[in-house]
Amino acid sequence: DVQMTQSPSSLSASVGDRVTITCRAGQGLSDSLAWFQQRPGKAPKSLIYGASTLQSGVPSRFSGSGSGTDYTLTISSLQPEDFATYYCQQYRFYPLTFGQGTKVEI
Amino acid sequence: EVQLVESGGALVQPGGSLRLSCAASGFIFFSDHYMDWVRQVPGKGLEWVGRSENKATDYATYYAASVNGRFTISRDESKDSLYLHMNSLKNEDTAVYYCAAGIVGARGAFDVWGLGTLVTVSS
Repeated sequence: DVQMTQSPSSLSASVGDRVTITCRAGQGLSDSLAWFQQRPGKAPKSLIYGASTLQSGVPSRFSGSGSGTDYTLTISSLQPEDFATYYCQQYRFYPLTFGQGTKVEI
Repeated sequence: EVQLVESGGALVQPGGSLRLSCAASGFIFFSDHYMDWVRQVPGKGLEWVGRSENKATDYATYYAASVNGRFTISRDESKDSLYLHMNSLKNEDTAVYYCAAGIVGARGAFDVWGLGTLVTVSS
């Protein structure tokens, strides 16, 4: 199985801050990497796929980058509604695997 | 608007069986979409359960090792519905179960998620 390691596990930030979350895969993913947001008590929401393609309706302050085994999710200016847990996921290989999550707190 | 609605979650005893349903609406061709089940133990992370690929691969199915041989995914194209048949349930299968639809042509990337249904396995 492809192990997905996210860092940090949690972070504290303020509204307006630039936030970066990293995800490292156990092997190359050819950009088959997605990011999800999950607010407390809610279902996950798809943010980015193909490492850098924003899902329809996702604000442009979210961006994804990276290649091979190392990927990054960046929130350029944190908004109150962005406080949530973020997960990366690889869909290049079966079984699909998720990172352990990064909780973004105030 | 594309939407997924799960149902069928319940309290079940260890060793029991359950069938979850995921009703899709708003899709142009449901048969074009990969469909996945993902679960989440309350307070924990996301775990992929399994997938039904699309018509192009004759709906090939794949499973996580933790459920392989106990869970089966099926779909009814006439009802635009996905199912998760769960047998030999264990306490550790307790979780919220989500279905998710893939983006057509995006090599299995997820698009829409349902709201989830809670399965509790306990005596």
